[in-house]
Amino acid sequence: EPEVTQTPSHQVTQMGQEVILRCVPISNHLYFYWYRQILGQKVEFLVSFYNNEISEKSEIFDDQFSVERPDGSNFTLKIRSTKLEDSAMYFCASSESTTGNQPQHFGDGTRLSIL
Amino acid sequence: DQQVKQNSPSLSVQEGRISILNCDYTNSMFDYFLWYKKYPAEGPTFLISISSIKDKNEDGRFTVFLNKSAKHLSLHIVPSQPGDSAVYFCAATDSGGGADGLTFGKGTHLIIQP
Repeated sequence: EPEVTQTPSHQVTQMGQEVILRCVPISNHLYFYWYRQILGQKVEFLVSFYNNEISEKSEIFDDQFSVERPDGSNFTLKIRSTKLEDSAMYFCASSESTTGNQPQHFGDGTRLSIL
Repeated sequence: DQQVKQNSPSLSVQEGRISILNCDYTNSMFDYFLWYKKYPAEGPTFLISISSIKDKNEDGRFTVFLNKSAKHLSLHIVPSQPGDSAVYFCAATDSGGGADGLTFGKGTHLIIQP
């Protein structure tokens, strides 16, 4: 069964450094998402992406964050200058469409640890 | 702000019996609801969903019920199996246009006892 893949599985970064998290969505999917889960808290929506532009974003997704689809397969989340509070699991998801209520399928996440 | 609430942090059920996981929501704009299952060190895995135009959806051992007037949904697993032990998340979205993010509950840890 096709799946969403994320790399790396664990990223350790010094505070203030830039970090890029990578995702390969399911190949025929058109909608892409990033979520995060801080330890002990809910999974929270960050941003959605369709047709090479941001479709929706939450309050969490401030100017420090950006997303990109640099080629036909990868979808990346960049955090420009990391803070301690950015430490979390980051999940990428993709869906075939939003019409017809298609579910989002998630990768196994990248654990980001900011020192 | 807890638009999606799962009030039971954990639930213990005997193998072979029915597991019932509950979820409440407050946002009247939500019209598509999903259940995900999550094992440690893995991402959420989609289980089953329901649109607000239905009140029941069934897939094998899993059935989701939606009560729109009460803003309540539940996931029934019958019979429960040891592999069902995991954290179950309820999620909801307003699917009207755009790639809307899901709003998740805090999860219920289901433990199936032999």
